[in-house]
Amino acid sequence: KQEVTQIPAALSVPEGENLVLNCSFTDSAIYNLQWFRQDPGKGLTSLLLIQSSQREQTSGRLNASLDKSSGRSTLYIAASQPGDSATYLCASPIKAAGNKLTFGGGTRVLVKP
Amino acid sequence: DAGVIQSPRHEVTEMGQEVTLRCKPISGHNSLFWYRQTMMRGLELLIYFNNNVPIDDSGMPEDRFSAKMPNASFSTLKIQPSEPRDSAVYFCASSLAPAGRNEQFFGPGTRLTVL
Repeated sequence: KQEVTQIPAALSVPEGENLVLNCSFTDSAIYNLQWFRQDPGKGLTSLLLIQSSQREQTSGRLNASLDKSSGRSTLYIAASQPGDSATYLCASPIKAAGNKLTFGGGTRVLVKP
Repeated sequence: DAGVIQSPRHEVTEMGQEVTLRCKPISGHNSLFWYRQTMMRGLELLIYFNNNVPIDDSGMPEDRFSAKMPNASFSTLKIQPSEPRDSAVYFCASSLAPAGRNEQFFGPGTRLTVL
């Protein structure tokens, strides 16, 4: 069974510092790895999707890497801003279960001004 | 595009009542997903559809839960009868098929409280 883990569960940094968010998965036979952002009381917003053939994906200040062999993905957010405060979730589809997305528990980020 | 639309945004009901949640996926998307989010269990997939056909409902907790997708632009999740432990935020999401291979776009959710 695919398990997706995110550590730490919460993170607090001063504005301007780079953020590093970790995601681990147990089954390396994945199609892709997706990162989402969730603001309090809101739905999930897709940030980046890395295909299994890719090593990284970039969008603005966000960069996500994927290392299938070690079962890890990392989301980097450069020069953090208070507006980056949110919960970040990673998810991976389970090939053996019809490609259902399995989500990590999320990392709650607070960027202090 | 307006994105995934869900209604109602908030629902408060009493135990035993029927609850119907509604979802309109993004036009052109042919995969639709229903999720439930709670503090204790996180985000769980309840059921998903491809081309209006239910593919996997193994996440539906009990027979009290049912979901339909009568056409490509509308889906419902029904709970009958509702119980306090059903209180959660229910999200609908859509994507291009095949499920899991493309980005999923989430609606704003319906916050359900069963008293």
